[in-house]
Amino acid sequence: DAKTTQPNSMESNEEEPVHLPCNHSTISGTDYIHWYRQLPSQGPEYVIHGLTSNVNNRMASLAIAEDRKSSTLILHRATLRDAAVYYCILSGYGGSQGNLIFGKGTKLSVKP
Amino acid sequence: NAGVTQTPKFRVLKTGQSMTLLCAQDMNHEYMYWYRQDPGMGLRLIHYSVGEGTTAKGEVPDGYNVSRLKKQNFLLGLESAAPSQTSVYFCASSNLAILLYNEQFFGPGTRLTVL
Repeated sequence: DAKTTQPNSMESNEEEPVHLPCNHSTISGTDYIHWYRQLPSQGPEYVIHGLTSNVNNRMASLAIAEDRKSSTLILHRATLRDAAVYYCILSGYGGSQGNLIFGKGTKLSVKP
Repeated sequence: NAGVTQTPKFRVLKTGQSMTLLCAQDMNHEYMYWYRQDPGMGLRLIHYSVGEGTTAKGEVPDGYNVSRLKKQNFLLGLESAAPSQTSVYFCASSNLAILLYNEQFFGPGTRLTVL
């Protein structure tokens, strides 16, 4: 599976937008980009995924670069509850039996 | 729906003791996974199962065994616990329909300490 690079930590103010970057320069044509987050003392939870086009759901937006070598998770209005570790993960279309390879992620702190 | 549940939530073992962690899901998912998470690290896959009666090794399988006798349950066993197995263990499940984009549902975790 291709590797991703994320900043170790980021800070945000409450009610402001947050842009979490992820670099994946070795992404293959069939790799999906997934984002999960892990709130303190909880298991990870799915946030969003995409392949080529930008995606929106109730939790966040995913902006994917045209060359797919990078992506950005966008939280439109950060809340204190969004403080978590965010993981950017690549996995092939139905491949690897669904195994997710987690890096260290980005720890997001949200200030009131 | 309860989703994915894990039993127990906490456990302290002495070196050499054995124990079994239970994972249960009520979503009729085909795929189930066991991960471990060490402090400050991401999750690492221990074993996984693609259906009842099947299991396979993940990234860090040594020292662990698993069984999937029923579709809804996935058991993780430690035959002879070692301090290096002190970790938080997460179970996850997924089904074929959503597997294609790898949406996994995770349990709350089991915090295991081996003295």
